[in-house]
Amino acid sequence: QSVLTQPPSVSGAPGQRVTISCTGSSSNIGAGYDVHWYQQLPGTAPKLLIYGNSNRPSGVPDRFSGSKSGTSASLAITGLQAEDEADYYCQSYDSSLSGAYVFGTGTKVTVL
Amino acid sequence: EVQLVQSGAEVKKPGESLKISCKGSGYSFTSYWIGWVRQMPGKGLEWMGIIYPGDSDTRYSPSFQGQVTISADKSISTAYLQWSSLKASDTAMYYCARHSDWGDESFDIWGQGTMVTVSS
Repeated sequence: QSVLTQPPSVSGAPGQRVTISCTGSSSNIGAGYDVHWYQQLPGTAPKLLIYGNSNRPSGVPDRFSGSKSGTSASLAITGLQAEDEADYYCQSYDSSLSGAYVFGTGTKVTVL
Repeated sequence: EVQLVQSGAEVKKPGESLKISCKGSGYSFTSYWIGWVRQMPGKGLEWMGIIYPGDSDTRYSPSFQGQVTISADKSISTAYLQWSSLKASDTAMYYCARHSDWGDESFDIWGQGTMVTVSS
């Protein structure tokens, strides 16, 4: 089971701002490990959206931003667009699981 | 272009063996860890394990240790995920992904996925 908890779903109208939380613990996010975010469009492979808590790879729009505080992290999407409808996953590293990379439970973003 | 290209979909029966592949191109294959991720139908992402093709150093998630074998052939820039005896519960999409070199634990390049269906 995932050690990083996300809300199952969030929704918003076009143009609005939505945020997705990722809650961990003292053995992963709280231990100082970075948080990364992936976008998975329907029927496609995940794509790296945010790395190192708040950095965007080349080509990712600046509508997407990430932050981290304590044992949690957040992904914000501003100016929501129809093409942002997808599943989003956070990911970190957990020192309590023999060096395990851990993913969040996933959040479905629906554009109303 | 940096890319990972995975082998095609597989349909197998319970008890059969299987080896799927992930071929890297456009970068130094031996210098980056390659991870494997499972996604069961309608479910989330699960990290299975990771290999460094340069020396075949391999780590497994405790959930998958002993259930699968990860290997690599650096001469052909290809990583593998294999099963010796498939179960119906192995039905899933499997992704390989390249570990980034940004000093963190992200995966920057992903393969297109290989769907494995195990059914009698």
